[in-house]
Amino acid sequence: SQTIHQWPATLVQPVGSPLSLECTVEGTSNPNLYWYRQAAGRGLQLLFYSVGIGQISSEVPQNLSASRPQDRQFILSSKKLLLSDSGFYLCAWGAQEPYGELFFGEGSRLTVL
Amino acid sequence: GQNIDQPTEMTATEGAIVQINCTYQTSGFNGLFWYQQHAGEAPTFLSYNVLDGLEEKGRFSSFLSRSKGYSYLLLKELQMKDSASYLCASMDSNYQLIWGAGTKLIIKP
Repeated sequence: SQTIHQWPATLVQPVGSPLSLECTVEGTSNPNLYWYRQAAGRGLQLLFYSVGIGQISSEVPQNLSASRPQDRQFILSSKKLLLSDSGFYLCAWGAQEPYGELFFGEGSRLTVL
Repeated sequence: GQNIDQPTEMTATEGAIVQINCTYQTSGFNGLFWYQQHAGEAPTFLSYNVLDGLEEKGRFSSFLSRSKGYSYLLLKELQMKDSASYLCASMDSNYQLIWGAGTKLIIKP
């Protein structure tokens, strides 16, 4: 069966510090991978998605970046965090075809102070 | 533009039935999804509708009317564990999900 893991679950970072969130998927190959951010009381905001190794599409211009160094690994990074980067970050995977539901990792709660 | 509307919050009684409505406007349509999200946790998939009509899955059912851009999630025999946010999402012509802000459902004994 397929599983998805992301870490760390919780982190508190000072403004201006770097960030790295990691996500891995098991039990499937060539998945579509997604990074979302969810602010309190708001819907899921798509940050990045990837259809293959090294292929990243950015939906929202910001100080975040994403990389996909391996088929089932997706990394969200920042060189310098802003206060506005605080939120709940979710990694998800979905099948390429037929397109269907997304499966989410456990989530990472980031607080920038 | 693309838009998903659903009520912010609803309250219902344990054992009762509740209907959560969702209206959508997206560029193209490839299906309507409902997810459940407990506080502090990740969303989990509940249902998918791509054709008009009602899909029943245990205590949960989901309805779609493509001509009206409308869907609802029906929860029967409510249990306290059903207290959660329910997210509506429409898949657009690029197969991307457009998400509503979610409906927080509060179940009272």
